[in-house]
Amino acid sequence: GAVVSQHPSRVICKSGTSVKIECRSLDFQATTMFWYRQFPKQSLMLMATSNEGSKATYEQGVEKDKFLINHASLTLSTLTVTSAHPEDSSFYICSARVGTAGGYTFGSGTRLTVV
Amino acid sequence: QKEVEQNSGPLSVPEGAIASLNCTYSDRGSQSFFWYRQYSGKSPELIMSIYSNGDKEDGRFTAQLNKASQYVSLLIRDSQPSDSATYLCAVNPYTNAGKSTFGDGTTLTVKP
Repeated sequence: GAVVSQHPSRVICKSGTSVKIECRSLDFQATTMFWYRQFPKQSLMLMATSNEGSKATYEQGVEKDKFLINHASLTLSTLTVTSAHPEDSSFYICSARVGTAGGYTFGSGTRLTVV
Repeated sequence: QKEVEQNSGPLSVPEGAIASLNCTYSDRGSQSFFWYRQYSGKSPELIMSIYSNGDKEDGRFTAQLNKASQYVSLLIRDSQPSDSATYLCAVNPYTNAGKSTFGDGTTLTVKP
């Protein structure tokens, strides 16, 4: 089945630094990837939709200068959390759709802790 | 009104019972419907897809879709403690078939 590989699975960084999260589609091409954030015991929150070769589409209220998304190839999308603060600590998950009408395949998630 | 609504639960059932999870959606033109399971601390995984009215069975899982009532459900037969998780309903709205809208999830606990 389709696999989305997400790294790192867990990262601790100091306040003010930047962190890059990578998502790769291993056995299919993903022209679009979706980035989510999830706080403990809360629902998935869509942050942005990344499109290969073009600018990402951000959801309302998500700071595009803080959460930089790059989708440089059909198999790789990255999310960079810039100048991280403790309130950015969360579970970040990417996903991609296989085919045009199917469900999502999710990456395994990245648990970010900013200290 | 949320686009996709689920009972937040928690829903608790004894082992071996049938767990029934419900979801309603607002976009009448929606065409694709999905159920995901999310274990605590993990990312969601797709367990069922359904596209036409009626029932779709896969092992112990049955998805039911009623487009006239804008209602989709998931039945889990012979529930096991390993089924304890949060179940997310997702819908592809007609206006943006490429992006799923997720419900907030229903937490299910299956007690031994």
